[in-house]
Amino acid sequence: GQNIDQPTEMTATEGAIVQINCTYQTSGFNGLFWYQQHAGEAPTFLSYNVLDGLEEKGRFSSFLSRSKGYSYLLLKELQMKDSASYLCSVMDSNYQLIWGAGTKLIIKP
Amino acid sequence: DADVTQTPRNRITKTGKRIMLECSQTKGHDRMYWYRQDPGLGLQLIYYSFDVKDINKGEISDGYSVSRQAQAKFSLSLESAIPNQTALYFCATSAGALDAGELFFGEGSRLTVL
Repeated sequence: GQNIDQPTEMTATEGAIVQINCTYQTSGFNGLFWYQQHAGEAPTFLSYNVLDGLEEKGRFSSFLSRSKGYSYLLLKELQMKDSASYLCSVMDSNYQLIWGAGTKLIIKP
Repeated sequence: DADVTQTPRNRITKTGKRIMLECSQTKGHDRMYWYRQDPGLGLQLIYYSFDVKDINKGEISDGYSVSRQAQAKFSLSLESAIPNQTALYFCATSAGALDAGELFFGEGSRLTVL
């Protein structure tokens, strides 16, 4: 079966750096996506990786290793507004998105 | 105004009732999706449509039906609601195949079935 694993919850301090990991086992691979979802709101697109390596976008970066079935989302200079759930999603060989359950990130002052 | 609008935002209903959730979008996207989100689970795809004449079942379509009335409108129906359909439902859109993973979500419809 297809599976995406990410930690259920993480806690970090304002101003610090946090890394949210995602491992996946899917039938084929056509890209990995990270979304942010604030409580009670809709998910919003953050990043997309299809080739190995690091993609940087401001305070957020996303890394992919296809051989290891592994990705991480790196958030720098954490702000209170970064408190949210972060969803990892993989597009499989049928171009269907498979979703992880999300990582709830709690930022403390 | 939101690019993807869902109505109603909240609904409480009883077992056996028919419920329709509506979605409209102004993004001009051909692709539309219905997902449900339950605590502790990833988003699950119910149905999707790549254009007005195209309807496809997702991983959890049993107990649901959809209608694509126009490019901009995609509605989800629960013919006879049951308590385990209590969930948060999201409509989403995406552009063409190359951008299929970048979804634009509506604000969600929270459904409670008693």
